[in-house]
Amino acid sequence: GAGVSQSPSNKVTEKGKDVELRCDPISGHTALYWYRQSLGQGLEFLIYFQGNSAPDKSGLPSDRFSAERTGGSVSTLTIQRTQQEDSAVYLCASSPGVAGIVYEQYFGPGTRLTVT
Amino acid sequence: GNSVTQMEGPVTLSEEAFLTINCTYTATGYPSLFWYVQYPGEGLQLLLKATKADDKGSNKGFEATYRKETTSFHLEKGSVQVSDSAVYFCALSESNTGKLIFGQGTTLQVKP
Repeated sequence: GAGVSQSPSNKVTEKGKDVELRCDPISGHTALYWYRQSLGQGLEFLIYFQGNSAPDKSGLPSDRFSAERTGGSVSTLTIQRTQQEDSAVYLCASSPGVAGIVYEQYFGPGTRLTVT
Repeated sequence: GNSVTQMEGPVTLSEEAFLTINCTYTATGYPSLFWYVQYPGEGLQLLLKATKADDKGSNKGFEATYRKETTSFHLEKGSVQVSDSAVYFCALSESNTGKLIFGQGTTLQVKP
């Protein structure tokens, strides 16, 4: 079946512009995660959605970052007023996700964001 | 808070050499432990996992044992191949949310 997909695969934007990154999880997966992979910081957790519960936003680096998940499926990560330090690969992952049970997370190919 | 520390790379080995990549963790509760691999130009893939103490995860000739007493999950392979060249990430999964905390990654280069 289809894996996790992300779009766009590459995004170049000017400092100060807003960007939206999209993630389509595997159908039926209730848990969705966003991570960021950058040279300086490695792989960092950003935000976690589980079903209809309030998201865990504890990893978002600033209030310029936000995310939503519509209909329990597609998720959009929005970065407002982008800064050069936002340049990174943004990864989305999904899992069957029941709290307290460990499932493998399936990662998408990522969106490479470059802020000029 | 929870954290993962893995040995710095890059690690350069000749084909058929023995591989060890060290990983230690700090965590509250009883996390699950993972090794993920990222081949050049590809996405993150799960390599192996262990969900409780003394479990051994294995896949593609790689193995790692969950050692609670030393809080370690070292990755080993008896005979590496050129195709194993990749970046390897050790990670723990927080028990209530499943979110992954990653180590900094270790680049492995295997030369023929």
